Amino acid sequence: AQRVTQPEKLLSVFKGAPVELKCNYSYSGSPELFWYVQYSRQRLQLLLRHISRESIKGFTADLNKGETSFHLKKPFAQEEDSAMYYCALSGQTDSWGKLQFGAGTQVVVTP
Amino acid sequence: GAGVSQSPSNKVTEKGKDVELRCDPISGHTALYWYRQSLGQGLEFLIYFQGNSAPDKSGLPSDRFSAERTGGSVSTLTIQRTQQEDSAVYLCASSLRRQAEAFFGQGTRLTVV
Repeated sequence: AQRVTQPEKLLSVFKGAPVELKCNYSYSGSPELFWYVQYSRQRLQLLLRHISRESIKGFTADLNKGETSFHLKKPFAQEEDSAMYYCALSGQTDSWGKLQFGAGTQVVVTP
Repeated sequence: GAGVSQSPSNKVTEKGKDVELRCDPISGHTALYWYRQSLGQGLEFLIYFQGNSAPDKSGLPSDRFSAERTGGSVSTLTIQRTQQEDSAVYLCASSLRRQAEAFFGQGTRLTVV
């Protein structure tokens, strides 16, 4: 079965400090990993996905198959990064690609 | 439409009543999801439709919950004999195909009093 674990419920960082959100997954196969973000009073939206290898809003995430991790990183946090972040996995065998989310990490960036 | 649309935005119902929540996905999207977001909780998977395949209902919390998707488009989530613990924000999402980006609606906030 597929599972996504985000061990931190809350991350509080100062503006300009680095931030790293941890995500570990359990899946036997080749999953697709995503990070979704929900800003206050806005819809949940895609931040980035591992196959695109992009940097979005300064965030990057590297898929480490050996450690089954997909941590999200940003070298210099900004106040506008305050939001709820969800790591998600889509498998190839379970339910034809069902999207499974972690519990989420609330990020608070203080000036 | 421009995105996934859900209705109503807010619903207050009395305990024991049935409710129907509607989701209009993005046209052409074959995958449709329902999730529940309770206060202080993450995203709880409820049900997943993919094309003409049998839906994955493994996340439905009880037999009071059911969902259907008519014509591969609009979906309705029905909760029978609502309970106070059903109070949550119900989110619908759709994607072009499996493993593609999911687009979320604004959610329906359900309050059972």
